[in-house]
Amino acid sequence: QKEVEQDPGPLSVPEGAIVSLNCTYSNSAFQYFMWYRQYSRKGPELLMYTYSSGNKEDGRFTAQVDKSSKYISLFIRDSQPSDSATYLCAISPSGGTYKYIFGTGTRLKVLA
Amino acid sequence: NAGVTQTPKFQVLKTGQSMTLQCAQDMNHEYMSWYRQDPGMGLRLIHYSVGAGITDQGEVPNGYNVSRSTTEDFPLRLLSAAPSQTSVYFCASSYSAGEETQYFGPGTRLLVL
Repeated sequence: QKEVEQDPGPLSVPEGAIVSLNCTYSNSAFQYFMWYRQYSRKGPELLMYTYSSGNKEDGRFTAQVDKSSKYISLFIRDSQPSDSATYLCAISPSGGTYKYIFGTGTRLKVLA
Repeated sequence: NAGVTQTPKFQVLKTGQSMTLQCAQDMNHEYMSWYRQDPGMGLRLIHYSVGAGITDQGEVPNGYNVSRSTTEDFPLRLLSAAPSQTSVYFCASSYSAGEETQYFGPGTRLLVL
């Protein structure tokens, strides 16, 4: 079993929809969680990170962590065609960039 | 600020050839790293450096060498290229190893025939 599982998609939604992207993980020792966005043929860019259960909001983006279920989510409200990208989750047992384990990414297409 | 730059953008190698992938950052970041990205595998850490003169292995270091003689540069060397090293390679940097925010370069696409 992979340590981090992420549905590869593609996920296609109409403009304005609420998007839910998810990752599951196997080790309850993981405490730090990140979401990256990667446009085609570009490097990933950090969207959000959190180290606690619950929700963290940043504009149209909300990161949700449920440690009891080992489940993390990224919600995108009022999705735009510019949100079309691959979204990667990353998790770590502790702080420190080099310890993160990345999911395989979910490809999202927002249709105008 | 140019951020993190990588050269070349694309390279084709024959099996057994060697080459160096270049990475540079102008943000005075102490921490730099190399990842490879393969379909269905996600990003995997190859090597990382917490400062000039200090490097360590990541998850998939075999077949790759690194050195860090300056804060700005972190080249990745393929000693004898193999088809299994066909991948997209990303360099990343952050202020320190404990910093969550790391900045990725645009990537180098490598094809080994």
